[in-house]
Amino acid sequence: GQQVMQIPQYQHVQEGEDFTTYCNSSTTLSNIQWYKQRPGGHPVFLIQLVKSGEVKKQKRLTFQFGEAKKNSSLHITATQTTDVGTYFCAGLLMKPYGQNFVFGPGTRLSVLP
Amino acid sequence: DAGVIQSPRHEVTEMGQEVTLRCKPISGHDYLFWYRQTMMRGLELLIYFNNNVPIDDSGMPEDRFSAKMPNASFSTLKIQPSEPRDSAVYFCASSLADGGTDTQYFGPGTRLTVL
Repeated sequence: GQQVMQIPQYQHVQEGEDFTTYCNSSTTLSNIQWYKQRPGGHPVFLIQLVKSGEVKKQKRLTFQFGEAKKNSSLHITATQTTDVGTYFCAGLLMKPYGQNFVFGPGTRLSVLP
Repeated sequence: DAGVIQSPRHEVTEMGQEVTLRCKPISGHDYLFWYRQTMMRGLELLIYFNNNVPIDDSGMPEDRFSAKMPNASFSTLKIQPSEPRDSAVYFCASSLADGGTDTQYFGPGTRLTVL
């Protein structure tokens, strides 16, 4: 069935290292959103990408939407301990009779000081 | 703005009991979503409402689950009877426009434990 996948499931990095998580869909997405969830917290919206090939930056975070609108990535430059958490992508998948908003399983990031 | 408010924050109950989770969305938001989060299944969309009307409840796992939104400022998710496998964190979220195309604001969640 239609689903959104993310890799890796876990990532441990040393503070200052870069980090990338990848999001892949089995079908074309209308858009994709990224959320961050701190340990014990709730998901917080980071950004939305809509256009094919779109790239957006937020300080040390760079988000990309693939040309085919089936994949996306989040890259963090020079990680900090405040980046710890789980990063989720969420895609809007079109169905014949409506639409389906699906979260990926998330990538849990640990940053060692 | 207080954000999305959920109550209770923690609920511990015994198998077979009825559980009611409550949510107050952000004022003015037309969409309300109920999610369930577990380690095994991640974040699952259970149901969502538009202007108090349920639009898609295909994610509701069983007939034991029901959700209502009697007015724009209040929604409930009820589990009756509850089972241990219902143990999870339940999030409510709201958005101005369709959550698939607009920011969803999540509440702090209700951590449910069914013994």
